[in-house]
Amino acid sequence: AQSVAQPEDQVNVAEGNPLTVKCTYSVSGNPYLFWYVQYPNRGLQFLLKYITGDNLVKGSYGFEAEFNKSQTSFHLKKPSALVSDSALYFCAVRDLSGGSYIPTFGRGTSLIVHP
Amino acid sequence: EPEVTQTPSHQVTQMGQEVILRCVPISNHLYFYWYRQILGQKVEFLVSFYNNEISEKSEIFDDQFSVERPDGSNFTLKIRSTKLEDSAMYFCASSEARTGAYEQYFGPGTRLTVT
Repeated sequence: AQSVAQPEDQVNVAEGNPLTVKCTYSVSGNPYLFWYVQYPNRGLQFLLKYITGDNLVKGSYGFEAEFNKSQTSFHLKKPSALVSDSALYFCAVRDLSGGSYIPTFGRGTSLIVHP
Repeated sequence: EPEVTQTPSHQVTQMGQEVILRCVPISNHLYFYWYRQILGQKVEFLVSFYNNEISEKSEIFDDQFSVERPDGSNFTLKIRSTKLEDSAMYFCASSEARTGAYEQYFGPGTRLTVT
């Protein structure tokens, strides 16, 4: 079975400061991992993914995420937050050893960047 | 940039009524999905669709639900007899291929309110 946890409902950060949005996962085999962002009144928008290869993945809008197999984590990071980054962020995982092609989404973390 | 569209943006219906939610996936995508998100809860998978048939479905997708691709562009979700607990945001998504390694593109959602 595959599952994902986003332990923080909300993350607050000042503009210009680094941000981290946490995600941990549980799978039987190897994972595919995804981050999506949802702006108000919009659908989920793909940010980045880890499939294989380099543990540090770079995505849209200056975001990156690091795959850490030993800690089963895939935290989303950005060196310098912008007010426009304020949105809802979803982590998703798919277990390669499972029979389903459908990823499981986390509950979402609300990122608030203060000016 | 191509995007997934959904109509209506908000649907209010009475308990027991039938509703049809409509989606237009990205034109060259082959796989289509419906998800729902009850307020404050996780994004939950309902069903995936490929080559005019259901590929996978969750336990939520019971006999009250059905999907259809009536023409070359639309993808619909029908709820035959709505219940109060069907109130949620419903998202349509599409992907180029099976979502194991391919990201999904989401529409803006339809907010369904059952009274």
